[in-house]
Amino acid sequence: AQSVTQPDIHITVSEGASLELRCNYSYGATPYLFWYVQSPGQGLQLLLKYFSGDTLVQGIKGFEAEFKRSQSSFNLRKPSVHWSDAAEYFCAVGLNFGNEKLTFGTGTRLTIIP
Amino acid sequence: DAGVTQSPTHLIKTRGQQVTLRCSPKSGHDTVSWYQQALGQGPQFIFQYYEEEERQRGNFPDRFSGHQFPNYSSELNVNALLLGDSALYLCASSLGVTENYGYTFGSGTRLTVV
Repeated sequence: AQSVTQPDIHITVSEGASLELRCNYSYGATPYLFWYVQSPGQGLQLLLKYFSGDTLVQGIKGFEAEFKRSQSSFNLRKPSVHWSDAAEYFCAVGLNFGNEKLTFGTGTRLTIIP
Repeated sequence: DAGVTQSPTHLIKTRGQQVTLRCSPKSGHDTVSWYQQALGQGPQFIFQYYEEEERQRGNFPDRFSGHQFPNYSSELNVNALLLGDSALYLCASSLGVTENYGYTFGSGTRLTVV
């Protein structure tokens, strides 16, 4: 069965600083990989997804993620964070086709300090 | 363009009671998935409905059941509520089951069992 690990429960960064959130997955084949963001009391918003092709994917709000098969990782990055980026971030993995169920990590809470 | 609509937004139930949560998918979507998100955790897949049938199911007991109507809306029913059922229940809609276009999530229903 697939699994997702987000090793950082909570990260604090200064506004304007760069950000990297880590995600490692376990799955036998090439997975479908996603990053979602959740603001307090809200549902999940898709930031970006990777299915195949270019391993560096661009998403909304200036986020990008890089798929590294050798490391089973799909880390999320942003060169300069804004106060509005404070939220919970979830990495998820899906199976190889269709709108299959997603397996989520436990999330990383991002705090932005002025 | 309306997104995914869930009702109610909050509710409180007593142990042993039954509850029904409702979801209207995004316009044009025909597949509905339900997730349970306990406090401090990532969402856990409950089940998915397509063409009015349960297509996939996660590791949840039979107390959790669902239904999809001809207009693609869906209900999640939980019987014999336990304190551990307290969570945010998220509905996600998508188009079809043969291509992965990704989910659109609703804002969720916060269920508290006392």
